[in-house]
Amino acid sequence: GENVEQHPSTLSVQEGDSAVIKCTYSDSASNYFPWYKQELGKGPQLIIDIRSNVGEKKDQRIAVTLNKTAKHFSLHITETQPEDSAVYFCAASIRWTNTGNQFYFGTGTSLTVIP
Amino acid sequence: EAQVTQNPRYLITVTGKKLTVTCSQNMNHEYMSWYRQDPGLGLRQIYYSMNVEVTDKGDVPEGYKVSRKEKRNFPLILESPSPNQTSLYFCASSLRQGGETQYFGPGTRLLVL
Repeated sequence: GENVEQHPSTLSVQEGDSAVIKCTYSDSASNYFPWYKQELGKGPQLIIDIRSNVGEKKDQRIAVTLNKTAKHFSLHITETQPEDSAVYFCAASIRWTNTGNQFYFGTGTSLTVIP
Repeated sequence: EAQVTQNPRYLITVTGKKLTVTCSQNMNHEYMSWYRQDPGLGLRQIYYSMNVEVTDKGDVPEGYKVSRKEKRNFPLILESPSPNQTSLYFCASSLRQGGETQYFGPGTRLLVL
């Protein structure tokens, strides 16, 4: 099955700096790559996603890049703010014709933004 | 308010005592899914359902059962819970087949003694 690896596991940055989280996947059948933010005591919340036919997507301070050849994708957060502090998860999804999307998540990155 | 609800939010039980965690969504979503979250392991998918009566195993289905008799509900059943099923469980839903925004519930923390 699919294997998603995520690095780093923890990341501390100064407020205003950029943060980059990287993920790799193993199955070329994966075609949908969402990123989730999880705040303490809450369920994950989608922050950005990208499909396999797109190389880059941006939404204000957040961007995701996908390199299908190398099987890796990255989350970029610019101008970080203290409220960006949370755990971030990447995921890769394979779509099965008869049953829908199966998801594989990375192990998470705990981001701390230091004021 | 559009949401995914889970009950109970916290549960302590003993080995072998059957339990059900309910999940309900009010967004008319077709896709629903169950995950477990363990420290250092991230989220792992247990089961998912593309629509009523259509379910499939995720990465860690052993020891769990699901049913999807109605569009809005997707209960998770542990027929004979064991301590290794102690975990934080999340239900999620999305509009169609899962390849779009998934909305997660608040989580159910389960302790099996």
